[in-house]
Amino acid sequence: DQQVKQNSPSLSVQEGRISILNCDYTNSMFDYFLWYKKYPAEGPTFLISISSIKDKNEDGRFTVFLNKSAKHLSLHIVPSQPGDSAVYFCAASTFGNEKLTFGTGTRLTIIP
Amino acid sequence: GAGVSQSPRYKVAKRGQDVALRCDPISGHVSLFWYQQALGQGPEFLTYFQNEAQLDKSGLPSDRFFAERPEGSVSTLKIQRTQQEDSAVYLCASSINGENTEAFFGQGTRLTVV
Repeated sequence: DQQVKQNSPSLSVQEGRISILNCDYTNSMFDYFLWYKKYPAEGPTFLISISSIKDKNEDGRFTVFLNKSAKHLSLHIVPSQPGDSAVYFCAASTFGNEKLTFGTGTRLTIIP
Repeated sequence: GAGVSQSPRYKVAKRGQDVALRCDPISGHVSLFWYQQALGQGPEFLTYFQNEAQLDKSGLPSDRFFAERPEGSVSTLKIQRTQQEDSAVYLCASSINGENTEAFFGQGTRLTVV
């Protein structure tokens, strides 16, 4: 069973607009969430994270929102840039269990 | 180097052959993880080390998979008698202490079993 779900396999956004990537989870024990970005033939690169004690974390153009009651998080990128085109993975972990559980990824394409 | 280094980048193995994949984590990182990523999927956890101790191997798909980190730095993932379903990208990641800290990934080893 997929404990972390990214239901949109792909997303296209105009350059300069906001990109919103969504992620849902089923395991209520998850308390730390991360977003990774992956270019072809490279390993995932850490983008931003959020602890379950927060509902928002911001880093430059990237903001992650966490809605614990809905078991939903989202990544907002604004403004979107061509270099943001990549596959984005949502991941989650539980305190005391260091392994990450990943979603299947969303391919983001920024249209110039 | 500054990042996680994996070798080889690409490996083609004949079915039944044994393979060994190497990971050099970031210096000083206590935690080391191995993940398997099949085409079109997200990475899936295989095993986790804290220093030289293998604390979790629950993700290893069969007893053909074996991982070690004897001196608490470099790690090797060994797959015996490879089968076609073992074809995937094998990713290594390291982190300072594992808990609620980001893990840094290597570029991966793409294994193709023919």
